Amino acid sequence: KNQVEQSPQSLIILEGKNCTLQCNYTVSPFSNLRWYKQDTGRGPVSLTIMTFSENTKSNGRYTATLDADTKQSSLHITASQLSDSASYICVVSAQAGNTPLVFGKGTRLSVIA
Amino acid sequence: EAGVAQSPRYKIIEKRQSVAFWCNPISGHATLYWYQQILGQGPKLLIQFQNNGVVDDSQLPKDRFSAERLKGVDSTLKIQPAKLEDSAVYLCASSLGSGGRYEQFFGPGTRLTVL
Repeated sequence: KNQVEQSPQSLIILEGKNCTLQCNYTVSPFSNLRWYKQDTGRGPVSLTIMTFSENTKSNGRYTATLDADTKQSSLHITASQLSDSASYICVVSAQAGNTPLVFGKGTRLSVIA
Repeated sequence: EAGVAQSPRYKIIEKRQSVAFWCNPISGHATLYWYQQILGQGPKLLIQFQNNGVVDDSQLPKDRFSAERLKGVDSTLKIQPAKLEDSAVYLCASSLGSGGRYEQFFGPGTRLTVL
């Protein structure tokens, strides 16, 4: 069964600190993996996308990594800001045609001053 | 470029009442999706349209939910009658094409509360 598991479920960090969010997946055959940021009351917005051959992708202070062998991904946030407070959702796409995206439940990040 | 528009943003109804949500996708996007997102969960696909045809509605509770995209642009999602467990955020998304290689762009969602 195609699944995406994220950890931790929630996280509280001080402004300026770094953090890393984890994603494990069992989707097969694998096509790509995206990290989305969802602010409260808003729809998800894509941060990064990685295909099988990519093992790291950066978007400003966000850096995603992918290990396709172990089926793990991480999202590292550097020098966190209050505006980083949001849910971060790992989404995996299977290779076959119109197979629906597989969403994780998200990690709820709170950055406090 | 305008994003995906949804209305209303919030809706409160009593159980057994009816409700309808509207979505206007990004111009030129052929594929439109409706998702249900329960608090603390990731979005769950309800229905996917390619132009005005249904591609996947396998997880749509068809006894109470219906959706249409008559002219291949705007779409409406209806719930009739609503149940308490339908309380959720309903997200609309659109993409240029169908399949995982096309990025989905999400609207702000409609938060439904069923009392």
